[in-house]
Amino acid sequence: RKEVEQDPGPFNVPEGATVAFNCTYSNSASQSFFWYRQDCRKEPKLLMSVYSSGNEDGRFTAQLNRASQYISLLIRDSKLSDSATYLCVVKENTDKLIFGTGTRLQVFP
Amino acid sequence: EAGVTQFPSHSVIEKGQTVTLRCDPISGHDNLYWYRRVMGKEIKFLLHFVKESKQDESGMPNNRFLAERTGGTYSTLKVQPAELEDSGVYFCASSQDRRNTGELFFGEGSRLTVL
Repeated sequence: RKEVEQDPGPFNVPEGATVAFNCTYSNSASQSFFWYRQDCRKEPKLLMSVYSSGNEDGRFTAQLNRASQYISLLIRDSKLSDSATYLCVVKENTDKLIFGTGTRLQVFP
Repeated sequence: EAGVTQFPSHSVIEKGQTVTLRCDPISGHDNLYWYRRVMGKEIKFLLHFVKESKQDESGMPNNRFLAERTGGTYSTLKVQPAELEDSGVYFCASSQDRRNTGELFFGEGSRLTVL
């Protein structure tokens, strides 16, 4: 079983749509959670951290459910520029990040 | 300010040859990481330097891989001898983050193809 599981997609949505990605992690001792974004053939970049209380950054909302070991990312009012791969990332009690395989989003006009 | 830079961007070698990848972290970043993405798989941790010291090398696949960070600035990752399964994208990342909040700054990666 993978440590971080994501639906690989692709999710094809029209501009303006709302789309949600989910992720589960296997280690209940995981301490920190993140969403990274990766454009095609580019480097991963931190999109946002994820907290149990939920957090929002503009059109993006991230949520963590520790009891279910489940992380989500909601994107409202999708833009063409949101097309990318979204990586669910978990940090345990070490400095290393554990990545999911990523969920690909394609926003079309 | 320059980001994390990696060289070469793409390397094609034959099985049995040696390749050395280089990473220049963001200036002043003590933490330097190597990660790898094999085709179709997730990005996986290889090792972590704090300055010139190896903090964690638990992700290194085997002794054909050697990472160094002499002087605590740039780092090299040598693969010798390369095998077919070593093909993938090798990412370097750095951070200055002493609170370990998880924000790493990645380079664009070095794509290695072993024939």
